Amino acid sequence: SAVISQKPSRDICQRGTSLTIQCQVDSQVTMMFWYRQQPGQSLTLIATANQGSEATYESGFVIDKFPISRPNLTFSTLTVSNMSPEDSSIYLCSVVRTSVADTQYFGPGTRLTVL
Amino acid sequence: GENVEQHPSTLSVQEGDSAVIKCTYSDSASNYFPWYKQELGKRPQLIIDIRSNVGEKKDQRIAVTLNKTAKHFSLHITETQPEDSAVYFCAARGTNTGNQFYFGTGTSLTVIP
Repeated sequence: SAVISQKPSRDICQRGTSLTIQCQVDSQVTMMFWYRQQPGQSLTLIATANQGSEATYESGFVIDKFPISRPNLTFSTLTVSNMSPEDSSIYLCSVVRTSVADTQYFGPGTRLTVL
Repeated sequence: GENVEQHPSTLSVQEGDSAVIKCTYSDSASNYFPWYKQELGKRPQLIIDIRSNVGEKKDQRIAVTLNKTAKHFSLHITETQPEDSAVYFCAARGTNTGNQFYFGTGTSLTVIP
């Protein structure tokens, strides 16, 4: 398995501000993803974080709102920009260790509340 | 992209009975189907998975079946225990869409002691 950490674990933010969430993995991984999970809901894929290039966003998510960085094979950040109460959610990063092994592991999540 | 549907959304069973959760997917190119268990306030944890070249896989009380023709797969939990109570998510991963995973809507399972 992979050891994944996220910072912060939770935060309460004011409307209109931005928050950057960090995801750190204990070893190099092929793929990193960012998900959103609203209370009582399923996991919605926001984007695939690509190492050294722009992230690949899913329908309904845009770079201006959710800029993502992945400077190397063990680290990624997700920024939630110009936040509104509708952005209140749990944000999870996930990793797939190699392109051969399919197993996806999740980070512990960041619980974001926007007032 | 892929569309994964999951049923039922809630399921209550008596301890010792079996539970079955079903999922369908839309992308015939999907080739990997994991199941996750998520307890309240925790991250999703992989409990079992199946690849498209296999029809069934079992791990103790948990089994998964896959019907590629019909594009559906199911999770079977036998001899349920109260600690099986959680939300279960199915997912599908395709090869035509950058290897992303798409999740079902989840099933809240309650095992009644």
